[in-house]
Amino acid sequence: QSALTQPRSVSGSPGQSVTISCTGTSSDVGGYKYVSWYQQHPGKAPKLMIYDVTKRPSGVPDRFSGSKSGNTASLTISGLQAEDEADYYCCSFAGSYTLWVFGGGTELTVL
Amino acid sequence: EVQLVESGGGLVQPGRSLTLSCTASGFTFGDYAVSWFRQAPGKGLEWVGFIRNKFYGGTTEYAASVKGRFTISRDDSKSIAYLQMNSLKTEDTAVYYCTKYTNYFFDYWGQGSLVTVSS
Repeated sequence: QSALTQPRSVSGSPGQSVTISCTGTSSDVGGYKYVSWYQQHPGKAPKLMIYDVTKRPSGVPDRFSGSKSGNTASLTISGLQAEDEADYYCCSFAGSYTLWVFGGGTELTVL
Repeated sequence: EVQLVESGGGLVQPGRSLTLSCTASGFTFGDYAVSWFRQAPGKGLEWVGFIRNKFYGGTTEYAASVKGRFTISRDDSKSIAYLQMNSLKTEDTAVYYCTKYTNYFFDYWGQGSLVTVSS
């Protein structure tokens, strides 16, 4: 069982918006501003999409946005496109003992 | 262009050892920490361990599931990080990824190296 809880799957039609939640505790998501999100297409390596809760690396479309409220972080993808279909993982720093915790991943289907 | 390339994976019997390499290019390797992750077939990502850069003493941290069996090291002169895996178990079967670490996130990932532990 993963330390962070994500929905197993979400779906949306092209052009729509979807939000993927990532729920932890005050010891990880709620306690630090270090939540990141990774996209993984089948058979490929993960790719950083969001870091520090809300920041986008260069080259990531602004359709991807991150937020956090309390112990829950969220990734929102607006204007869904076919190429967004992938697995998404959240990650949070969890202090100097545990270091990092991950969510179990969410499969995004673009209908 | 930042690149990380893992190598050394393969089939190994339970109880044996295997060492993976992660060869980096496109950035000043010695200035950054390197982390290793793994992904069992059909499963999610699992953080394995981490080695700090020389400014932080090159010290290491490990997940509880591998502590005492796995060792991470680095050779900054060659821009290579290593993951030495001892006393391998069938549950260590996974694709292993190395990543460049920057201030609490993992910004570049290698393509992965498959390790299969089976008799």
